[in-house]
Amino acid sequence: SQQGEEDPQALSIQEGENATMNCSYKTSINNLQWYRQNSGRGLVHLILIRSNEREKHSGRLRVTLDTSKKSSSLLITASRAADTASYFCATDSLNTGTASKLTFGTGTRLQVTL
Amino acid sequence: GAGVSQSPSNKVTEKGKDVELRCDPISGHTALYWYRQSLGQGLEFLIYFQGNSAPDKSGLPSDRFSAERTGGSVSTLTIQRTQQEDSAVYLCASSLSRPEGTQYFGPGTRLLVL
Repeated sequence: SQQGEEDPQALSIQEGENATMNCSYKTSINNLQWYRQNSGRGLVHLILIRSNEREKHSGRLRVTLDTSKKSSSLLITASRAADTASYFCATDSLNTGTASKLTFGTGTRLQVTL
Repeated sequence: GAGVSQSPSNKVTEKGKDVELRCDPISGHTALYWYRQSLGQGLEFLIYFQGNSAPDKSGLPSDRFSAERTGGSVSTLTIQRTQQEDSAVYLCASSLSRPEGTQYFGPGTRLLVL
C-alpha cells in the first residue's frame, strides 16, 4: 500500500498563480518532507516539517501538516515556469533506527505555463 | 562540497546480463539508500545502509538484486540476470544520522534492459 499519496496526480496552472498539492499517509511519522524532481532524474529536497510542527515556510513554499488527518499540503505561491517539475512527499516513519528510511508518494506533476 | 554521484548515468544491457551501478555518497554521511523509479512512478525503496549496522534489505524485489557498501562509503548495486522489468532509473541518496532526516540524491542511473 502507498504510505504517501499525492493529489492531484497532475496540475496545470498559469505563471503567477498558486499551486497546491496534497499528500496523505498512513502511519505515524517523525517528519514529512517534500522533494522536487526534474526530468525523471535526481530529487532535490525542498522542505522538512517535523511531526510537532503545523506549518513551515521557505521562500515561496508553504507546507502544512495535520497529524490528526495524516495529511500535508505544499503551496507554491506566485508560480514560475521554472517550477515545472514533479513534486513528491516522503514520510519518515517512527522507528528505533538511526537512519531516516523515507517512503515516497507517487508524486504530483506540476506544469506552469506562460 | 561535492554532492552524491552515480555512475554510469545511462546503461543499456541485454536481458540475462549482470549490471553494476555505483554510488559515491556525500563525505561524512553515514546513511546510504538505493531507490528504483519506473517511468512516471514514485520511488520504490530498495535497500539502505547505516554505519556498521546490517543493511535493511527489505525492499529488494528479488534475490537477483544485491548491494554492498565498502568502507562505509562507496556502494554498488548489482543486478544479476537482468530482466526487461528491471528497466528503470536507479537513484542513490545519502544522509546524516537522525535527527537530521534530509536525503541528498544523486542524478540516477537510467537502466534499459533490451
